[in-house]
Amino acid sequence: KAGVTQTPRYLIKTRGQQVTLSCSPISGHRSVSWYQQTPGQGLQFLFEYFSETQRNKGNFPGRFSGRQFSNSRSEMNVSTLELGDSALYLCASSLVLAGGLETQYFGPGTRLLVL
Amino acid sequence: DQQVKQNSPSLSVQEGRISILNCDYTNSMFDYFLWYKKYPAEGPTFLISISSIKDKNEDGRFTVFLNKSAKHLSLHIVPSQPGDSAVYFCAASAERTGANNLFFGTGTRLTVIP
Repeated sequence: KAGVTQTPRYLIKTRGQQVTLSCSPISGHRSVSWYQQTPGQGLQFLFEYFSETQRNKGNFPGRFSGRQFSNSRSEMNVSTLELGDSALYLCASSLVLAGGLETQYFGPGTRLLVL
Repeated sequence: DQQVKQNSPSLSVQEGRISILNCDYTNSMFDYFLWYKKYPAEGPTFLISISSIKDKNEDGRFTVFLNKSAKHLSLHIVPSQPGDSAVYFCAASAERTGANNLFFGTGTRLTVIP
């Protein structure tokens, strides 16, 4: 099976712009989660989508949004970019194990640099 | 507030020896724990997990131990190999709440010396 794919891998934007990142989950996975990784804060949860609905949300401002399509592919959007948004954005898709435990499998990430 | 903590930012081990990576958590609602390995410029790779109903899970050279009373888990790698050199993240989730978002530690950089 192909793994989680994310596009683009690298992106440079300037303050005030907006950006859209894309994630294709592992085939058959219906849950997609997004995380932000920064040197100071580590990996932090942004939001999770399941069956085209946002199921869970982390503690990020409304400038961060996402959506999921019927084929489970997901996009996240960041509007009015700030310097502090420079980070590695990771997407993960979930496989539900017996007992309802969900192991998340990560993509390679999109590295965003805001100038 | 960091609910999952990895207090050792780095660890160096000789090839063939045991590597022990530690992780502590504060949230008693966490019931599922995972370890991920991360190489530069790649996403975290799932290694091994453990449910709170167990205290040990083994997969080849990797064993995870969970001590619920101490809110502590550890990852043992035996024997360590140079290819194990990477950053290891501990993660936890509170599956019973219906939320499967992961809370990550800040990572431990393991260096296995040939």
